Amino acid sequence: NAGVTQTPKFQVLKTGQSMTLQCAQDMNHNSMYWYRQDPGMGLRLIYYSASEGTTDKGEVPNGYNVSRLNKREFSLRLESAAPSQTSVYFCASSGTGGGVPQHFGDGTRLSIL
Amino acid sequence: SQQGEEDPQALSIQEGENATMNCSYKTSINNLQWYRQNSGRGLVHLILIRSNEREKHSGRLRVTLDTSKKSSSLLITASRAADTASYFCATDGSGGGADGLTFGKGTHLIIQP
Repeated sequence: NAGVTQTPKFQVLKTGQSMTLQCAQDMNHNSMYWYRQDPGMGLRLIYYSASEGTTDKGEVPNGYNVSRLNKREFSLRLESAAPSQTSVYFCASSGTGGGVPQHFGDGTRLSIL
Repeated sequence: SQQGEEDPQALSIQEGENATMNCSYKTSINNLQWYRQNSGRGLVHLILIRSNEREKHSGRLRVTLDTSKKSSSLLITASRAADTASYFCATDGSGGGADGLTFGKGTHLIIQP
């Protein structure tokens, strides 16, 4: 079982460039999430998708867009990258409802120059 | 905003000793979860405790929850070198976690051989 797979693992962008981070899960989970992790910080929620066809903003959505392509895939897009978006991005998935654990990918390390 | 705050920020102990980490949070919760993050990897779920539970065990892990003090603790007994990692508490909102989790900044635990 691969679990949650994120691509790419590393990326360097120039300010103003665009990029899409990919995430796929093979656990048949309904809910998927995008978080960012900055040095010395916990994870902060960018967007989430409670089920296929729905997406909602999290704590820090500005500068990002998401697409729930199907039940397996949830992508995160930076339309015009800024240095403040330099971070490690984690995708997670979980079963339906609350009180269930989230399963995380190994992250995409993104640097914006 | 960060909901949970772990204490201490860093902890170094000898192999075989017990490690205790604390988490405080600000608002009412349905569930509290603890995750482990090894360097360069994604988060791994350790244990979930519901708001109506006071204590929970899983192997060498013991979690307590005091909703009146809005605090939780994670105890790792008989620590091993492989326990070296960062540990995060995460709380849910009104959606019980289906709308994402709020993470603390984490405790970095180092187990000295």
